[in-house]
Amino acid sequence: DSGVTQTPKHLITATGQRVTLRCSPRSGDLSVYWYQQSLDQGLQFLIQYYNGEERAKGNILERFSAQQFPDLHSELNLSSLELGDSALYFCASSVGMGQGYNEQFFGPGTRLTVL
Amino acid sequence: AQSVTQLGSHVSVSEGALVLLRCNYSSSVPPYLFWYVQYPNQGLQLLLKYTSAATLVKGINGFEAEFKKSETSFHLTKPSAHMSDAAEYFCAVSEGSNYKLTFGKGTLLTVNP
Repeated sequence: DSGVTQTPKHLITATGQRVTLRCSPRSGDLSVYWYQQSLDQGLQFLIQYYNGEERAKGNILERFSAQQFPDLHSELNLSSLELGDSALYFCASSVGMGQGYNEQFFGPGTRLTVL
Repeated sequence: AQSVTQLGSHVSVSEGALVLLRCNYSSSVPPYLFWYVQYPNQGLQLLLKYTSAATLVKGINGFEAEFKKSETSFHLTKPSAHMSDAAEYFCAVSEGSNYKLTFGKGTLLTVNP
């Protein structure tokens, strides 16, 4: 158990809908990262937050957005969903701003299925 | 820009045999390198990391990896495979000022009895 929690575990929805994925980092970790894992793209970094502020952006679509709240939990919002958005979404957390040498601890993931 | 190439999307070994999973990286600055393991229906668990200290890094579950700058490689090895090692393994690179992890495509390890 990494100490990172994600809810829900599974999500099934229809195209065009909007969903929210939730992540609670390990106690004491200030950085939260979101990754998408799909069969064709592999594991891809989406976005990072540190102590409530956006720090880095990766291959995140404009239809997707995220935020980190004062209690440090984070939410990833996916809207206007398409079939291709079906994937495993992981949240990770780390100590500090996310210096390269800091390991990231991953949650169990949310499996999103768009029908 | 940083990138990772894992040679072999699927590696199959017999129980007790040597495990060798290959990883080559590209980085414009000295990299930080990681190996993660993903068991079915689970998240990623860190096996080991290289952060410019010793070039031979020992991790959990008997795995180790050697950083070879001249070959831009960070291959993962284990002397004797166990059935419980069957999983997908991901190599990842991070650069000092670049917070994101860039992952390879992963290598699925199968261990045969």
